[in-house]
Amino acid sequence: KAGVTQTPRYLIKTRGQQVTLSCSPISGHRSVSWYQQTPGQGLQFLFEYFSETQRNKGNFPGRFSGRQFSNSRSEMNVSTLELGDSALYLCASSLAGGATEAFFGQGTRLTVV
Amino acid sequence: AQSVTQLDSQVPVFEEAPVELRCNYSSSVSVYLFWYVQYPNQGLQLLLKYLSGSTLVKGINGFEAEFNKSQTSFHLRKPSVHISDTAEYFCAVSGYGSGNTGKLIFGQGTTLQVKP
Repeated sequence: KAGVTQTPRYLIKTRGQQVTLSCSPISGHRSVSWYQQTPGQGLQFLFEYFSETQRNKGNFPGRFSGRQFSNSRSEMNVSTLELGDSALYLCASSLAGGATEAFFGQGTRLTVV
Repeated sequence: AQSVTQLDSQVPVFEEAPVELRCNYSSSVSVYLFWYVQYPNQGLQLLLKYLSGSTLVKGINGFEAEFNKSQTSFHLRKPSVHISDTAEYFCAVSGYGSGNTGKLIFGQGTTLQVKP
């Protein structure tokens, strides 16, 4: 059974650009959550999608957005990149969110220069 | 709202010694509790979780944790650590209710350093 796949693994972008990250959940999982991990702020929840609908959202500016497709694959987009957006972005998939076990991908390391 | 405090940022320990990683939480609603491990350049792997029932929870790799509702704690323990246990450990909570679905609140992490 394939795990959670995040692409790309590494990205380097310039300030002001935008970026799109992709997450393919485990087959059959309908919930995808995104997290930002930085040394200073730790792991912070961005948003969660379930059956193509955003169900929950963290405290991030509107530059951070996401979507989920009918096959449960999810993308997150960050527009007008800032240096502080440099982070490891992790996605987690689960059957239904909540207490069900969340499986994490290996993450996308984004560096903004 | 929920918050998680991991009381130690780093825990050095010798191989084959016991270890305890401490976690306290606060929440206005009932919570589910989790411990995750992260190895360098990897994602997070679930060690164990508490949903309900017995307050002593056993997980993978010989780890266990005890939920203490009165002290709002969920400390992780292992009776004998190995070099391979060197990693970052995260305590997390998820609150009950539709406003909390799919959302994990993490502590700042504890680096476990196992020395030979």
